[in-house]
Amino acid sequence: GENVEQHPSTLSVQEGDSAVIKCTYSDSASNYFPWYKQELGKRPQLIIDIRSNVGEKKDQRIAVTLNKTAKHFSLHITETQPEDSAVYFCAASQADGLTFGKGTHLIIQP
Amino acid sequence: EAQVTQNPRYLITVTGKKLTVTCSQNMNHEYMSWYRQDPGLGLRQIYYSMNVEVTDKGDVPEGYKVSRKEKRNFPLILESPSPNQTSLYFCASGDRVYGYTFGSGTRLTVV
Repeated sequence: GENVEQHPSTLSVQEGDSAVIKCTYSDSASNYFPWYKQELGKRPQLIIDIRSNVGEKKDQRIAVTLNKTAKHFSLHITETQPEDSAVYFCAASQADGLTFGKGTHLIIQP
Repeated sequence: EAQVTQNPRYLITVTGKKLTVTCSQNMNHEYMSWYRQDPGLGLRQIYYSMNVEVTDKGDVPEGYKVSRKEKRNFPLILESPSPNQTSLYFCASGDRVYGYTFGSGTRLTVV
C-alpha cells in the first residue's frame, strides 16, 4: 500500500517568516495530494490540494508544489501569523482513499 | 450545509461492552472512511467503503467492524472494546475531485 513520510515533525518559525513542510509518497498511482490543518481539539480541515497534472498551486499565503518524478510534495506558508500555529498533515490519495503523513506541529514564535 | 456528522463526541466505556459510533454525511458521497488518531502516529485508516454494501480493511482494522447499508451512514462498531482502542476517531467522506471532509471526531476512552 501507499506510504507517506512527512518532515519535520516539529517546526518553529518566527512570525513573518516562511515555513516549509515536505512529504514523500511511495505509490506512483497516487494522483491527489491534499493538505490538512488541525487545530487543537478540532477536526482536520482541508487547506489546499494539488492533482498530479499540476506542478504548483497557490492560494494567498499558502502554496503547494509537486514533483511526480521524485514522488514528493511540499507545503509553503509565507508571512506566517500566530493563527497558522497548528498540526499540518499531508496525504496521498489512491482509489481507496487517503494515506496520511504523521503530521507536523508548526509553532509560530512571536 | 454539507457536513459529516459523528456521534457521540465523547464516550467513556468499560472493557468488553459493545459500542457503536455513528457517522452520517449529506453530500451523497460514495466513499466513506474511518480513521483513528493517536499521538505521534497521525491518522490511520481503520476501514473504508467505496459504496453501499462495499467495505474493506484499512491499515488497522483489528477489533473493529463497519457496515454500509445506506449511502449516507457508515457506523463503526467495537464489539468488545479494549483499552488499546482508546483514541480519537474521525469519520470522513469525499472524493478526489472535491476533496474529503471530516466529522468532528469522537474521543473514546475504554477503561
